[in-house]
Amino acid sequence: EAEVAQSPRYKITEKSQAVAFWCDPISGHATLYWYRQILGQGPELLVQFQDESVVDDSQLPKDRFSAERLKGVDSTLKIQPAELGDSAMYLCASQHDTDTQYFGPGTRLTVL
Amino acid sequence: AQRVTQPEKLLSVFKGAPVELKCNYSYSGSPELFWYVQYSRQRLQLLLRHISRESIKGFTADLNKGETSFHLKKPFAQEEDSAMYYCALYSGSARQLTFGSGTQLTVLP
Repeated sequence: EAEVAQSPRYKITEKSQAVAFWCDPISGHATLYWYRQILGQGPELLVQFQDESVVDDSQLPKDRFSAERLKGVDSTLKIQPAELGDSAMYLCASQHDTDTQYFGPGTRLTVL
Repeated sequence: AQRVTQPEKLLSVFKGAPVELKCNYSYSGSPELFWYVQYSRQRLQLLLRHISRESIKGFTADLNKGETSFHLKKPFAQEEDSAMYYCALYSGSARQLTFGSGTQLTVLP
């Protein structure tokens, strides 16, 4: 069964450093999402792609976060510079024509 | 703005006892509601959606528009039901999910 892949699974970095996360959605899924999940809270949408285009990035802190999906397949989320408050789980999800989102295993980021 | 509230962060029940996980929502349109579950060391996955009115793993959820609720119920809890449960509201026009803060269910032996 096809699954959403994410890497790395864990990332520890120091504040002010740059970090990048990668997501490979299920093949054929045109819609891709990046979420941030802070401990004790539900996932919150950061950015939504339809193919290679950004549909919604209203919750993305654009001074330090960027996201791209250049060929409409895999995607990269970058933080530069990382801050202590960025420590969280970063989840990627993809969706086809139905209303079901399929989630990856997440990348747990710790900023020291 | 749409909002999902799960008032219980933690819920413990004994095996074989009934369980109800509460979810309330606010949404101006016609809501589509889901329950997602995350078992230990597994990824977040869909449990059930209100529109299909199905029972998954013995769980059911009824949408009550008058009370703006979508509580998840199971008559006899099992230890394997222990997990984190998230209620989520789907906006079809935006194709976006809004999650609640989750309820950690523990089923005791």
